Amino acid sequence: GAGVSQSPSNKVTEKGKDVELRCDPISGHTALYWYRQSLGQGLEFLIYFQGNSAPDKSGLPSDRFSAERTGGSVSTLTIQRTQQEDSAVYLCASSFSRDRGPLITEAFFGQGTRLTVV
Amino acid sequence: GNSVTQMEGPVTLSEEAFLTINCTYTATGYPSLFWYVQYPGEGLQLLLKATKADDKGSNKGFEATYRKETTSFHLEKGSVQVSDSAVYFCALSAASGGSYIPTFGRGTSLIVHP
Repeated sequence: GAGVSQSPSNKVTEKGKDVELRCDPISGHTALYWYRQSLGQGLEFLIYFQGNSAPDKSGLPSDRFSAERTGGSVSTLTIQRTQQEDSAVYLCASSFSRDRGPLITEAFFGQGTRLTVV
Repeated sequence: GNSVTQMEGPVTLSEEAFLTINCTYTATGYPSLFWYVQYPGEGLQLLLKATKADDKGSNKGFEATYRKETTSFHLEKGSVQVSDSAVYFCALSAASGGSYIPTFGRGTSLIVHP
């Protein structure tokens, strides 16, 4: 597609349920990032994929959060046993970047998935 | 670690007023600097960027200059319009534990009245 695509755009789930959020990056982009945006907060980094390298998971807030990227393209962020504090907008971004090199070109963002845990 | 601090909002201005949104950063190594904008109901999009000291990024009448000596990247516009109402994010990309991950400020909401 022309841009980064995320689905679903909105998700309401009950506390304790698992959810999966999907990100389709721009074709050819080697780097993929997940961020979380909470009301009044900035963008909190979650996880970073670069090519075939092991992902940088240093931002994941707990072991209930995990992500994978299949075939260097589509990524899925999974939140297990959701809690109310997980409610936020989850943003995915992709960019073309050298192997773990500096981001000179911009990161392109999707519209986000608004997750509400009730 | 890397961090970005930007002025808290909301910033409320009348149309044609001068805008400054302050942004300072802390980074290991030599970062690239960015301003992103998020219009209501839309995703983040790049507004402008600068990759080395004294570079000036500009777009849509907005400007920001990479000041290494003051570790700042303030956003300015000479005459704002109602259509500029949005949330503005300052960001940097610099090495952190072997990865280059964009670090964002908290965002500054700009409200422009006619």
